[in-house]
Amino acid sequence: SAVISQKPSRDICQRGTSLTIQCQVDSQVTMMFWYRQQPGQSLTLIATANQGSEATYESGFVIDKFPISRPNLTFSTLTVSNMSPEDSSIYLCSVGGRDGNEQYFGPGTRLTVT
Amino acid sequence: GENVEQHPSTLSVQEGDSAVIKCTYSDSASNYFPWYKQELGKGPQLIIDIRSNVGEKKDQRIAVTLNKTAKHFSLHITETQPEDSAVYFCAADGGSNYQLIWGAGTKLIIKP
Repeated sequence: SAVISQKPSRDICQRGTSLTIQCQVDSQVTMMFWYRQQPGQSLTLIATANQGSEATYESGFVIDKFPISRPNLTFSTLTVSNMSPEDSSIYLCSVGGRDGNEQYFGPGTRLTVT
Repeated sequence: GENVEQHPSTLSVQEGDSAVIKCTYSDSASNYFPWYKQELGKGPQLIIDIRSNVGEKKDQRIAVTLNKTAKHFSLHITETQPEDSAVYFCAADGGSNYQLIWGAGTKLIIKP
């Protein structure tokens, strides 16, 4: 399985500011996913990011709020824009495995908005 | 839309006993069913998965069973150890672009 790192691991931000989260993979992958996980909850898919195409956002998530970049096959960023306390959550990136459906996750970014 | 239900939400077992977590799914077209373990402060870790052409799969102390007719699958952990304490998530493939539909999670507590 791929080794996935995320930066930062955690941050405390003021409302109205933006934070960019980086996801780096040690091998080339086609599919990358960004999730949000609120404390004690399950995972909610924000968007699917494939290299060479625009990210596909799930219902309730919009590009203006969560812009995503996917410049190459090993890297992606998720920006949380104009943050409010409701954005406090864990943000996870995952990558698709070679067999298609399986996903491997990074360690997550714990965001607190004050 | 597609839905995955997971039970129980919390499971407490004595160390050495077995633990069983059950999930049901709604989309009969689903063919891939992974289980993830998430320890505190970490990302989910894929621990075992099963595809629809197989009824059971084992890996040491963990096993997964699948009943496609009834649309349910289960995670079995035998001889539980303290390090098995974590939140476990089931999922099923669904939608487009290789997305996964997630269960709500089960907090497994291993009592010494």
